[in-house]
Amino acid sequence: SYELTQPPSVSVSPGQTASITCSGDKLGEKYAVWYQQKPGQSPVLVIYQDIKRPSGIPERFSGSNSGNTATLTISGTQTMDEADYYCQVWDSNTVVFGGGTKLTVL
Amino acid sequence: QVQLQESGPGLVKPSETLSLTCTVSGGSISSSNYYWGWIRQPPGQGLEWIGIFYYTGSTYYNPSLKSRVTISVDTSKNQFSLKLSSVTAADTAVYYCARRPQTVAGSGLDYWGQGTLVTVSS
Repeated sequence: SYELTQPPSVSVSPGQTASITCSGDKLGEKYAVWYQQKPGQSPVLVIYQDIKRPSGIPERFSGSNSGNTATLTISGTQTMDEADYYCQVWDSNTVVFGGGTKLTVL
Repeated sequence: QVQLQESGPGLVKPSETLSLTCTVSGGSISSSNYYWGWIRQPPGQGLEWIGIFYYTGSTYYNPSLKSRVTISVDTSKNQFSLKLSSVTAADTAVYYCARRPQTVAGSGLDYWGQGTLVTVSS
């Protein structure tokens, strides 16, 4: 079965750029999706189709996907961006989630 | 604005069957434009996909849960349901229902329910 690997945690200072990676075999040949989840809340879609932002998602969120790695980048990180982030792909009509990355803004 | 709402027992005994329903408002589960599915999250852990269906009747399940999972649909009530049999403590989780646009390749789950905690305990 397909697997996605994320770092358990990433730390960033306010105003700086945060990069969260997601690795998988030939991941660049699939579309990557990213979710943000704050404590006690449902996940929120922040990136789909590798690079697209749904309506209402701030421009500071961007995505890329090439080779074996997809990356979620948050530019000018704000304290409100502190959350868990999950990558996800569709593989043979199944949904695969990464293990999640806790982003700490301090 | 589409809304999804999970409902069902919050406590299930080991070896019994977990049953949840997702009620959709503001959109039709019979629409050809969307998939509808279930995801769960054990306390303090990550997201785990359970299964997804399309209005044609096509249903896809997580291989690790496939032998215990059934997703069914009631179009008259605009609801879809999850049944997970032979539950153990490992099935304790917050269960979410969600929607995926079918019309966009690489789309994500764009609307989620608020989630419902199901605890498996005697």
